[in-house]
Amino acid sequence: SQTIHQWPATLVQPVGSPLSLECTVEGTSNPNLYWYRQAAGRGLQLLFYSVGIGQISSEVPQNLSASRPQDRQFILSSKKLLLSDSGFYLCAWSAGTAAPETQYFGPGTRLLVL
Amino acid sequence: EDQVTQSPEALRLQEGESSSLNCSYTVSGLRGLFWYRQDPGKGPEFLFTLYSAGEEKEKERLKATLTKKESFLHITAPKPEDSATYLCAVHSDSNYQLIWGAGTKLIIKP
Repeated sequence: SQTIHQWPATLVQPVGSPLSLECTVEGTSNPNLYWYRQAAGRGLQLLFYSVGIGQISSEVPQNLSASRPQDRQFILSSKKLLLSDSGFYLCAWSAGTAAPETQYFGPGTRLLVL
Repeated sequence: EDQVTQSPEALRLQEGESSSLNCSYTVSGLRGLFWYRQDPGKGPEFLFTLYSAGEEKEKERLKATLTKKESFLHITAPKPEDSATYLCAVHSDSNYQLIWGAGTKLIIKP
């Protein structure tokens, strides 16, 4: 069966520091991968998605970037964090077959920028 | 513009008191509607996908239904462990990404 991992679970970082969040998927090949941010009491905001190694689409202009160095690895990064980057970050995968595709989520990373 | 609205924002029920959550959508051609459950501090857990009006799906105490304008998540005789936020998302012809509602926070009191 498929499993998705995210780490760390919680992160407290000072403003201006770099960020690296990692997501890995097990038990599937060539998945579509997604990074979302969830603000309290609001819907999920898609940040990036990837249909293959090195292929990244950005949905919202911002202080963040994403990379996919391996088929089942997705990384969310920032060179300098802003206060507004605080939030709950979720990684998801889907099978990459014909739409509509069910997305399956990881446990999330709570990021607090101080 | 594609839109998804969930109501109510929060719902408090007594254990055993059945009710329904609503997900209204405005899209240019529905490809699929998804329901997820999210516990505090965790990622959303997939529940159902509905594809066409009239379709229904069930899982334990939950039953999801779909019309051309909205979906309902019916909860029958809920238990405290059903307390969670329930999220609805829509995939339409004009959007390659899911459009998410803000969720309904369900609290079941023993």
